[in-house]
Amino acid sequence: GAVVSQHPSRVICKSGTSVKIECRSLDFQATTMFWYRQFPKQSLMLMATSNEGSKATYEQGVEKDKFLINHASLTLSTLTVTSAHPEDSSFYICSASSRAGGSFLSYNEQFFGPGTRLTVL
Amino acid sequence: GENVEQHPSTLSVQEGDSAVIKCTYSDSASNYFPWYKQELGKRPQLIIDIRSNVGEKKDQRIAVTLNKTAKHFSLHITETQPEDSAVYFCAASSPGRRALTFGSGTRLQVQP
Repeated sequence: GAVVSQHPSRVICKSGTSVKIECRSLDFQATTMFWYRQFPKQSLMLMATSNEGSKATYEQGVEKDKFLINHASLTLSTLTVTSAHPEDSSFYICSASSRAGGSFLSYNEQFFGPGTRLTVL
Repeated sequence: GENVEQHPSTLSVQEGDSAVIKCTYSDSASNYFPWYKQELGKRPQLIIDIRSNVGEKKDQRIAVTLNKTAKHFSLHITETQPEDSAVYFCAASSPGRRALTFGSGTRLQVQP
């Protein structure tokens, strides 16, 4: 149980274009999803927290107009990188958790997607 | 906000030896401390976690200890194997801020 998928796994785009990344919880309802960014040989840095049906909460220094997050259902959150530039090239990872917990879920535990490698040329 | 510091940044051990990675946190409200193993280009994998009402937890060769007073927690891997080689991250979260704050990572190399 507790499987999170992410699509696409890898994307290469031209500077100035927009890229959408999907994060899905496959076997549980994710009341909260988190988006992280990881640069090479660095740690995971939280970008934003999204709760189903409400606006995302962005971390300081993360531009909400550039990184659009939508959490329209309990199983899907999307991150759109708008007007991408080479400095946006990174590994983007989502995670999901359930506030309700459950038979196999812990209140605190987060389940990570496989990540999306974004390369902006 | 929460700040998590992790040491060492790199650790090389001989196969069969033990490895210890240490983390400190700043927010006394933090109550959940997971440890993740990440291989290159892959997602972080939870290997063990501990909550603030417990001082120690063990799962086969892996153990975690937590000192709430000193605000530090440690990962212990015994009888290391080459397949333990990876980057390990500690993290912390609190009831008020469920997002994880990660440490900077430790690159563990187990020499055969």
